[in-house]
Amino acid sequence: EADIYQTPRYLVIGTGKKITLECSQTMGHDKMYWYQQDPGMELHLIHYSYGVNSTEKGDLSSESTVSRIRTEHFPLTLESARPSHTSQYLCASRTSGNEQFFGPGTRLTVL
Amino acid sequence: GQQLNQSPQSMFIQEGEDVSMNCTSSSIFNTWLWYKQDPGEGPVLLIALYKAGELTSNGRLTAQFGITRKDSFLNISASIPSDVGIYFCAGQLDGSARQLTFGSGTQLTVLP
Repeated sequence: EADIYQTPRYLVIGTGKKITLECSQTMGHDKMYWYQQDPGMELHLIHYSYGVNSTEKGDLSSESTVSRIRTEHFPLTLESARPSHTSQYLCASRTSGNEQFFGPGTRLTVL
Repeated sequence: GQQLNQSPQSMFIQEGEDVSMNCTSSSIFNTWLWYKQDPGEGPVLLIALYKAGELTSNGRLTAQFGITRKDSFLNISASIPSDVGIYFCAGQLDGSARQLTFGSGTQLTVLP
């Protein structure tokens, strides 16, 4: 059983707002990831982290930023949300054995 | 870069039927993972495979790590309505953080 949490689960905001999507895991995993996924579509990696103070951009260009100050937390921030940011955002963490576990996701709608 | 081809894209089957889906890669992988995703939720890990030729079961699900290390198969036996969802394969080349590659998913619909 994976203990990885995301809040909020659903968020509807107006254009131009700054938002932070929270992700936390209690398994002590060093490797964490953020994916963007439109309904029924494939997963696109937007950020990842090897550990504390380590972050990298993923394959899909994103205007979001991430931080990794603590092992448990990997928040994602959008400084100025736009309708094109409407999507589902999935956080994941990985064991040393390459098993990757996902959180429940945040469904973001920008009006 | 690495690419995963997952097929079929979608399947409509009758309850009780067996299902098979597969993924093929342009590169060899050291790990294959299979996930199921329900609408509005995150993917849930079903089976992890670590060795070429490995055959692993999880209830009615069986997955195999291809001998060539470039493919993997997932079979679901005696499908039930709750099997509905999107199934994703994923491959890992090595231990580096970035190298998990996902397939595009198979949408499974089980008809009563």
